[in-house]
Amino acid sequence: KNQVEQSPQSLIILEGKNCTLQCNYTVSPFSNLRWYKQDTGRGPVSLTIMTFSENTKSNGRYTATLDADTKQSSLHITASQLSDSASYICVVSDPSGGSYIPTFGRGTSLIVHP
Amino acid sequence: DTEVTQTPKHLVMGMTNKKSLKCEQHMGHRAMYWYKQKAKKPPELMFVYSYEKLSINESVPSRFSPECPNSSLLNLHLHALQPEDSALYLCASSQGDIPSYGYTFGSGTRLTVV
Repeated sequence: KNQVEQSPQSLIILEGKNCTLQCNYTVSPFSNLRWYKQDTGRGPVSLTIMTFSENTKSNGRYTATLDADTKQSSLHITASQLSDSASYICVVSDPSGGSYIPTFGRGTSLIVHP
Repeated sequence: DTEVTQTPKHLVMGMTNKKSLKCEQHMGHRAMYWYKQKAKKPPELMFVYSYEKLSINESVPSRFSPECPNSSLLNLHLHALQPEDSALYLCASSQGDIPSYGYTFGSGTRLTVV
């Protein structure tokens, strides 16, 4: 069964600090990996998307890395802001059957304190 | 237009009511999805429409009835719901049978069944 495991489950940091969130997956074959940010009660918003051939992708203060050999990804947030407080979800797609139905991780809840 | 628009944003309904959730996108995406998300849980796939045809139904109870009138619209008809159906309902769309770079979520409808 395809699985996506995220760690830590929750994280509290001070404003201005950096942090790194982890994602390990067993999805195979692998199409692409996406990181989403989800504010409470809102829909997920895409931060980055990477295929198996990409090692890193940046979007402003967010940088995602991917190691397809070890099936690991990380999301690094630089100079955190209060507005970064949200759930960060790792999503991996499996192209079998042509539907690219994704497998969701349970998310990391990030709280940024002033 | 790069958005998926969901209406209403909030809905409170009784267990005997009939209501509908609506989802609209104008990005030319040919696959559209309904997800259900409970608090602090990842989204759970309910239905997938590919090229306006229902391609996946994840054993969802018949009190949820999807409809895809055209390639831009997706409805979810609700009837005789239970309190445990209270959740955030998310619509998403993607480019379909190619690597899903365009997997976009709407902001969701917060449904409360009383």
